[in-house]
Amino acid sequence: DIQMTQSPSSLSASVGDRVTIRCRTSQSVNNFFNWYQQKPGKAPKLLIYAASSLQSGVPSQFSGGGSGTDFTLTISNLQPGDFATYYCQQTYSFPHTFGQGTKVEFK
Amino acid sequence: QVHLVESGGGVVQPGKSLRLSCSASGFDFSRFDIHWVRQAPGKGLEWVATTSHDGRDKHYVDSVEGRFTISRDNSKSTVYLQMNSLRGEDTAVYYCAQERTYYYGSGSYIAYLDSWGQGTLVTVSS
Repeated sequence: DIQMTQSPSSLSASVGDRVTIRCRTSQSVNNFFNWYQQKPGKAPKLLIYAASSLQSGVPSQFSGGGSGTDFTLTISNLQPGDFATYYCQQTYSFPHTFGQGTKVEFK
Repeated sequence: QVHLVESGGGVVQPGKSLRLSCSASGFDFSRFDIHWVRQAPGKGLEWVATTSHDGRDKHYVDSVEGRFTISRDNSKSTVYLQMNSLRGEDTAVYYCAQERTYYYGSGSYIAYLDSWGQGTLVTVSS
């Protein structure tokens, strides 16, 4: 199975900050990589697919980068609605593993 | 508009069985693969299983292999997750999700989970 290492597990930030979350896979997954946002009590929401493609309707302050084994999710100009938990996922091979999650909290 | 609704959750004793359903509407159900993802209380997301659009290909995470069975009835636009020999560690909210794909070239399609249901809670406890 492909192992996912997501960091940090949590971070504190303020409105307007630029935030970067990282995810590393135990072997190359090419661009078979996605990012999701989850708010308490809600289902996850797709943000980024294929490593860097912004899902329709998602604000452009979200961006994804990387390929192979190292990926990033960047939130520029953090907004109040962005305080949530973020998960990465690889869909290169089964099982389609998720990262451990990064909770973005208000400083 | 894609709509997925999970049902069938509840409290069940260890070793017993439960069947979850995922009812879909708003899209051509028979054309899409469907996944189950779970989340234990206060924990992260765990991918559980998937069925291809026609039900022929199925994949499971190791921890449920041999205990859980995913199936679908395209005439009813419903996917099922039959869960047998349940354990305490199966306690979670179970989500179903619709897979979409992005053509990456050279015959490769990148899968992602586009639409999700609201989840159904399964509690395994004596």
